[in-house]
Amino acid sequence: DAKTTQPNSMESNEEEPVHLPCNHSTISGTDYIHWYRQLPSQGPEYVIHGLTSNVNNRMASLAIAEDRKSSTLILHRATLRDAAVYYCILRDTGGNTPLVFGKGTRLSVIA
Amino acid sequence: GAVVSQHPSRVICKSGTSVKIECRSLDFQATTMFWYRQFPKQSLMLMATSNEGSKATYEQGVEKDKFLINHASLTLSTLTVTSAHPEDSSFYICSAMGAGGQPQHFGDGTRLSIL
Repeated sequence: DAKTTQPNSMESNEEEPVHLPCNHSTISGTDYIHWYRQLPSQGPEYVIHGLTSNVNNRMASLAIAEDRKSSTLILHRATLRDAAVYYCILRDTGGNTPLVFGKGTRLSVIA
Repeated sequence: GAVVSQHPSRVICKSGTSVKIECRSLDFQATTMFWYRQFPKQSLMLMATSNEGSKATYEQGVEKDKFLINHASLTLSTLTVTSAHPEDSSFYICSAMGAGGQPQHFGDGTRLSIL
C-alpha cells in the first residue's frame, strides 16, 4: 500500500471546524483514500472515503486535491466526542486487501 | 449500530491459558476477516487475513501455531491465543469485509491481560 503522511497531533476548540491533512504523494490511480478514527479503547470507526471528487456524509467532508497527492478531512464542528486518532489510509479499489494503519493524527478537542 | 461484534471485550487470565476471541458480522456476509493487534500508544498491526473456508494467511513474524484462526462461516471468525504469556497481553481487534471491496468494519476490540 502507498504510504501516507499525517501530523502526529492536532488541537481544536470545541464547536470550531477542524481540517486534518494527509499527504499521499505516491498514490496510484486505483487507490481510494479512506479515513478511519479510533476512540480510546475502541476499534477503528469508518469515517469517509473517496477516489477523486470531494465527498460529504453525516460525519465529515473529504476534500481531495486535484492531483490526488493530498487530502483533507474536515470536521465541520468539533465536539469533545471527536477526540480520537484519525487515520488516513490508501487502499486499492475493488480488492480484498486489508487496511494498513500508520500512526495517524491524535486530535484533541478543548472545551 | 455495530455491524461487527467482538467478544469478550476484556480477558484477564493466568500465564499458560488459552484464550478464544470471537468476531461476528451482524448484518452482512464477511467473505474476509482480519485480525489486528495493538500495543499501548502504537498503531494497529495486521496479524492475519482469513477467507471463509480457507486457511488464514499470517503476516511475517506472527506464529500461526500460537494464534489459531478459524473462519468456518461467513459470519464468524475466531482467534485462539494458545498458551498465552504476559508478552501476549495486548488489544486484539477483528475486522470484517464483504465482497467487492466494501469498507472494512471493525469490532470494539478485546483487551487481553496475561498475569
